[in-house]
Amino acid sequence: DIQMTQSPSSLSASVGDRVTITCRASQSISNYLNWYQQKAGKAPKLLIYAAASLHSGVPSRFSGSGSGTDFTLTVSSLQPEDFATYYCQQSYSTPYTFGQGTKLEIK
Amino acid sequence: EVQLVESGGGLVQPGGSLRLSCAASGFTFSNHWMFWVRQTPGKGLVWVSRINSDGSSTGYADSVKGRFTISRDNAKNTLFLQMNSLRAEDTAVYYCARLGNLEYAFDIWGQGTMVTVSS
Repeated sequence: DIQMTQSPSSLSASVGDRVTITCRASQSISNYLNWYQQKAGKAPKLLIYAAASLHSGVPSRFSGSGSGTDFTLTVSSLQPEDFATYYCQQSYSTPYTFGQGTKLEIK
Repeated sequence: EVQLVESGGGLVQPGGSLRLSCAASGFTFSNHWMFWVRQTPGKGLVWVSRINSDGSSTGYADSVKGRFTISRDNAKNTLFLQMNSLRAEDTAVYYCARLGNLEYAFDIWGQGTMVTVSS
């Protein structure tokens, strides 16, 4: 199975900050990398697919980049509703494994 | 409205069985691969099972292989997960999710149903 490793595991930031979360795959996954946002008690929501494509309805302050094994999710200017847990996921081969999550908290 | 609605969760004793359902609406269900993903309270997301669009091909995580069976009824727009020989470590929120044909990612998720395995 492909292992996905996110860093950091948690992050404190303020409204208006620019933040970056990284995700590393244990082998090359081309651009088959997706990012999800999950708020407490809710189902995850797709933010970014194919490493850099913004899902419909997702604000443009979210962006993704990378290919191969190293990927990043960037939020250009944090808004209050962005404080949540973020997961990366590879869809290159089953099982479509997830990273362990990055909890983004208000400083 | 495009949505997935799970049902069937609950409290079951170790060794027992449950059948989860996921009702799809607002899209052509038979065009999409479907998945079950679970999340242990306070923990991350784990892929459980997948089924292709016509139900002819399935896959399972090693942890549930031989105990869980995924199936679908495209005429009724419903996905199922039959869970047998349940263990305490199967306790989790179970989500069904749609694989987007363009995105190749889980673009639609259900609200989740809680399964608790305990005596």
